[in-house]
Amino acid sequence: ETGVTQTPRHLVMGMTNKKSLKCEQHLGHNAMYWYKQSAKKPLELMFVYSLEERVENNSVPSRFSPECPNSSHLFLHLHTLQPEDSALYLCASSQGTTIRAYEQYFGPGTRLTVT
Amino acid sequence: QKEVEQNSGPLSVPEGAIASLNCTYSDRGSQSFFWYRQYSGKSPELIMFIYSNGDKEDGRFTAQLNKASQYVSLLIRDSQPSDSATYLCAVSYGGATNKLIFGTGTLLAVQP
Repeated sequence: ETGVTQTPRHLVMGMTNKKSLKCEQHLGHNAMYWYKQSAKKPLELMFVYSLEERVENNSVPSRFSPECPNSSHLFLHLHTLQPEDSALYLCASSQGTTIRAYEQYFGPGTRLTVT
Repeated sequence: QKEVEQNSGPLSVPEGAIASLNCTYSDRGSQSFFWYRQYSGKSPELIMFIYSNGDKEDGRFTAQLNKASQYVSLLIRDSQPSDSATYLCAVSYGGATNKLIFGTGTLLAVQP
């Protein structure tokens, strides 16, 4: 878990709040990902950044806004969320330019509850 | 639509037995296959990856891939109660974005 860190670990927010999730990787990787994990559903890929450039936006509502200022940091800005957005949000990283690009390593996640 | 199918379980095995976890996938173009272990309340942890047909062994874990049948499995020998977790199968989507498609996972319960 220490290779990829996420803060906060738990977050409760109202539908009118604005908050941000932070992810930091210490593995020297150059690709980072945001996933959403809901009960009884497969992991859902939200965004992919490779070399700090967004290369995938998986039809995510605009109330989720990612930011990748450098290859070690990734943010997910949240605003006007809905209760159905309550889930575990996972950050992952990989060495995106080699044969091992698909080997993704996850952070501990942020448990988000929208009230 | 590209899909990865797993039996949700729970798969219950006695301690010391072999646990066999199975996964099928729909995209014949997939090249990379992964098994993640997720303990309750924790994040997924990569435990095995396999790129070629056949078997790959790592300690008590063996991954098996059959691309013709679009089937990948994970065998856990000498199962321990500490192996009790949800096992997620993930398959590469291809393209430039390193996208993985995940199954819903199989819950494994190893009975002492």
